[in-house]
Amino acid sequence: ILNVEQSPQSLHVQEGDSTSFTCSFPSSNFYALHWYRWETAKSPEALFVMTLNGDEKKKGRISATLNTKEGYSYLYIKGSQPEDSATYLCAPYLNDYKLSFGAGTTVTVRA
Amino acid sequence: EAGVTQSPTHLIKTRGQQVTLRCSPISGHTSVYWYQQALGLGLQFLLWYDEGEERNRGNFPPRFSGRQFPNYSSELNVNALELEDSALYLCASSWTGVGTGELFFGEGSRLTVL
Repeated sequence: ILNVEQSPQSLHVQEGDSTSFTCSFPSSNFYALHWYRWETAKSPEALFVMTLNGDEKKKGRISATLNTKEGYSYLYIKGSQPEDSATYLCAPYLNDYKLSFGAGTTVTVRA
Repeated sequence: EAGVTQSPTHLIKTRGQQVTLRCSPISGHTSVYWYQQALGLGLQFLLWYDEGEERNRGNFPPRFSGRQFPNYSSELNVNALELEDSALYLCASSWTGVGTGELFFGEGSRLTVL
């Protein structure tokens, strides 16, 4: 069973504040790390697919970093807005034709 | 461009029945993934098809099966339905079968087993 851990499980952030959360995964056989945003009543939507150690990706106010040697990735949200409220999922691909998602971090942005 | 389409969107079955869920990937995508989200749980990996072949399956019993057709559409079959099979079944497609392509998800098929 793939050990993908996301922490914290949930967090509340005030509108305008920044926040970050973590995805931990096995570092062996690493091939890629996916991040998705899943809003209520919608389907998951891809944010980033990262492959290189030290990689940093950015989409608007959301960015992510990747450390493949130690097996973790951080997702950052700068200046949180109510529309950022969602569950953020990560999924490592370990070159085994299986893309297993973590349980997610649920972000609630309070106005 | 049409996104990933799934059918039916909702269905109700009784224990012991069989169900077939269908998925049409984005044009040009060769990989199709199936996931289950049961109540209170996260996305559980079910199956991965690429170029017509089953590449891997998650920890589900053999009564969960599927296939991918030459046009890359896919179907998921569940036999001998049990109450715990009640869930949202999501299909996703990707342009590549090597795990580096982002997944595009359909809106899901919500199955209720009574």
